[in-house]
Amino acid sequence: LAKTTQPISMDSYEGQEVNITCSHNNIATNDYITWYQQFPSQGPRFIIQGYKTKVTNEVASLFIPADRKSSTLSLPRVSLSDTAVYYCLVGSTVAGGYNKLIFGAGTRLAVHP
Amino acid sequence: NAGVTQTPKFRILKIGQSMTLQCAQDMNHNYMYWYRQDPGMGLKLIYYSVGAGITDKGEVPNGYNVSRSTTEDFPLRLELAAPSQTSVYFCASSLRGGDDTEAFFGQGTRLTVV
Repeated sequence: LAKTTQPISMDSYEGQEVNITCSHNNIATNDYITWYQQFPSQGPRFIIQGYKTKVTNEVASLFIPADRKSSTLSLPRVSLSDTAVYYCLVGSTVAGGYNKLIFGAGTRLAVHP
Repeated sequence: NAGVTQTPKFRILKIGQSMTLQCAQDMNHNYMYWYRQDPGMGLKLIYYSVGAGITDKGEVPNGYNVSRSTTEDFPLRLELAAPSQTSVYFCASSLRGGDDTEAFFGQGTRLTVV
């Protein structure tokens, strides 16, 4: 199970691009990188997932360098509604193929007017 | 399409009481999970299940029990409630295991033990 490290908190302003980096130095060859978003009083929701290079969807982009030891979630032109906690998950598969889906502490993003 | 449904949404228990948190999913997912989230903290995995009849402990299983008799339902049982179990509980499900899958979460049950 790859350990992840991400900033505890970040602040931004409306309209700016926000980049949240996650370190996962012991990522395994078969591990994917997944990001979830959690609004207050709600369950997390899946944002984006990738294995290498760059992945983009309607919500965010995920940049993964060649060595895959880190990844960066990019949120373009954030708004107040992007204020949330963002979790980076890497490689939840354990012996026997069971996915434990372990969450870390996440990054608390605050977007200001 | 309801997704993952948790009941109740709120509950207050007295110390020593027991209760069952209900979780149901209608997506025919094999994997189901129970998490707790204390104020200002991340999610901690309590128990998970990879299919009907198969469950396993997560990071913080003490004080809880689970069962999975059907694909749809994954109830979490609290025996002898303690103040330390005051938390928000989330249930989740995913189609399969492996880290390339997407998990879907319920809206949570806010439990207070007094």
